[in-house]
Amino acid sequence: AQSVSQHNHHVILSEAASLELGCNYSYGGTVNLFWYVQYPGQHLQLLLKYFSGDPLVKGIKGFEAEFIKSKFSFNLRKPSVQWSDTAEYFCAVNSGGTYKYIFGTGTRLKVLA
Amino acid sequence: ETGVTQTPRHLVMGMTNKKSLKCEQHLGHNAMYWYKQSAKKPLELMFVYSLEERVENNSVPSRFSPECPNSSHLFLHLHTLQPEDSALYLCASSQGPGGSYNEQFFGPGTRLTVL
Repeated sequence: AQSVSQHNHHVILSEAASLELGCNYSYGGTVNLFWYVQYPGQHLQLLLKYFSGDPLVKGIKGFEAEFIKSKFSFNLRKPSVQWSDTAEYFCAVNSGGTYKYIFGTGTRLKVLA
Repeated sequence: ETGVTQTPRHLVMGMTNKKSLKCEQHLGHNAMYWYKQSAKKPLELMFVYSLEERVENNSVPSRFSPECPNSSHLFLHLHTLQPEDSALYLCASSQGPGGSYNEQFFGPGTRLTVL
């Protein structure tokens, strides 16, 4: 069965620290990859997405992610986090051409001012 | 209203009650989704409708009954729920299936508590 693993469940960082959140998936076919963010009290918002082409994708608020097909990974990065990045981050995988989306369990990020 | 809206935002119900959750999308999308978000578990895809036809049904108990009267509205009818059904129920919409640069847009969710 398809699955998505987010290895870090809770991450605490100081402002200006660098961030990398891991995401691995199990599916051998064509995939579309997403990172969503859920700020406290707000709904899920798309941070960035990968469909094809350049495996390094840039999203909003300075986030980027790299698709490494050989490692089935789509890790999220930000060089310098801010207090306002405190949120829960979800990785999701879609089997290309279908309506089926598989989400990871999420990573709660807390940034200390 | 813009985006995806859900009502009510909070719902408390007893196990013998019947209630409905409503979702409306104002994006002109063709597909709508119901997800269940429980603590410490991944979002679980429950149902998907495309152009009012159900295209995904992920082994959801029959006490959850979806309805999609048109491409802008989606309902989740609830009856004889169990306490373990307490969760955040999220609605989402997309223009089409995954790929072709389609992405999902989510509503704020309905926080359901079953007593």
